[in-house]
Amino acid sequence: RKEVEQDPGPFNVPEGATVAFNCTYSNSASQSFFWYRQDCRKEPKLLMSVYSSGNEDGRFTAQLNRASQYISLLIRDSKLSDSATYLCVVNFYNQGGKLIFGQGTELSVKP
Amino acid sequence: NAGVTQTPKFRVLKTGQSMTLLCAQDMNHEYMYWYRQDPGMGLRLIHYSVGEGTTAKGEVPDGYNVSRLKKQNFLLGLESAAPSQTSVYFCASRRGLQETQYFGPGTRLLVL
Repeated sequence: RKEVEQDPGPFNVPEGATVAFNCTYSNSASQSFFWYRQDCRKEPKLLMSVYSSGNEDGRFTAQLNRASQYISLLIRDSKLSDSATYLCVVNFYNQGGKLIFGQGTELSVKP
Repeated sequence: NAGVTQTPKFRVLKTGQSMTLLCAQDMNHEYMYWYRQDPGMGLRLIHYSVGEGTTAKGEVPDGYNVSRLKKQNFLLGLESAAPSQTSVYFCASRRGLQETQYFGPGTRLLVL
């Protein structure tokens, strides 16, 4: 079983749609969590951290459920520019602060 | 600040050749990392460093060596390249364990 698993993609949605990505992790020792965004052939960039109480940044909402070892990302009012691959990332403070990446979910927003 | 830079951006090697990938950061970060990204595999950690002069193995270290002689630089070496090392290599750095990692633009390596 992969340590971090994400919804298989791709997600093809029209502009203005709401889309949700899910992610599960297997190691309960996981310390902190992030969503990264990766555009085609570019480096991953931090989208947002995920806090236990849930957090929102504009059209983006991230939630964490430690009991179920589940993380989610909700994108409201999708824009064409949201088209990218979204990576669920789990951070361990040991082993030099290792990040474990999910395989990513591809989002394509169409006009 | 340039952030994290990587040299070269693209390289083609023949099997058995050696090369060194350079990662440099100007943010005074303690922690530095080398990842490889392959289709369907996600990013996997090759080696990492928790400070100048220290290195440690990650998830897929075989066939690679690293050095961190200066705090701002983290070098990844391939002594004898193999086609299985064809990949995109990303370097990253961070200030502390609770903070996010910042990635370089990547090096695309093709081993023939």
